[in-house]
Amino acid sequence: RKEVEQDPGPFNVPEGATVAFNCTYSNSASQSFFWYRQDCRKEPKLLMSVYSSGNEDGRFTAQLNRASQYISLLIRDSKLSDSATYLCAVILNTGGFKTIFGAGTRLFVKA
Amino acid sequence: DAGITQSPRHKVTETGTPVTLRCHQTENHRYMYWYRQDPGHGLRLIHYSYGVKDTDKGEVSDGYSVSRSKTEDFLLTLESATSSQTSVYFCAISGRQGIGTEAFFGQGTRLTVV
Repeated sequence: RKEVEQDPGPFNVPEGATVAFNCTYSNSASQSFFWYRQDCRKEPKLLMSVYSSGNEDGRFTAQLNRASQYISLLIRDSKLSDSATYLCAVILNTGGFKTIFGAGTRLFVKA
Repeated sequence: DAGITQSPRHKVTETGTPVTLRCHQTENHRYMYWYRQDPGHGLRLIHYSYGVKDTDKGEVSDGYSVSRSKTEDFLLTLESATSSQTSVYFCAISGRQGIGTEAFFGQGTRLTVV
């Protein structure tokens, strides 16, 4: 079983739609949680960190559910520029701290 | 930008040859990582380092070795390249402000093994 699993999509949504991504992690030693965005043929970049209390950044809301071991990302009022791959990531404490990524979910926002 | 560079950016090599990829950072981050990215698999951790001369294996470490002789540099070596190692390789850094912080990525190296 993979440490971090995501629905690969793709998600095809119209502009203005609300879209939600989920990600599950299997290791209870996971300590920190993130969403990254990756544009085509580019490197991943941090979108936002994820906290148990939930956090919001403009149209983006991230949630963490430690009991069920999943994190989510909600994008409201989708824009064409939101088209990208979204990767969830966790930091595992297994002696050393290593960052493990999900396979990513591809989002296409259409006009 | 986080001050992380990968070299080379593109490389074509023949099966059976050794290949070394370099990751250089100027940000004094403690942790450095090597990932490969393939369609359908996302980013998979090859090896990582938590300090000079301190390294550990990731989930796809077979056929790869790493070295970190100083904070700034993390080298990934394919000891005898195979076609299955054709991929995009990303280096990442984290941990300047403590453990559990975001990772910053290099621009990637496209490696083709023919």
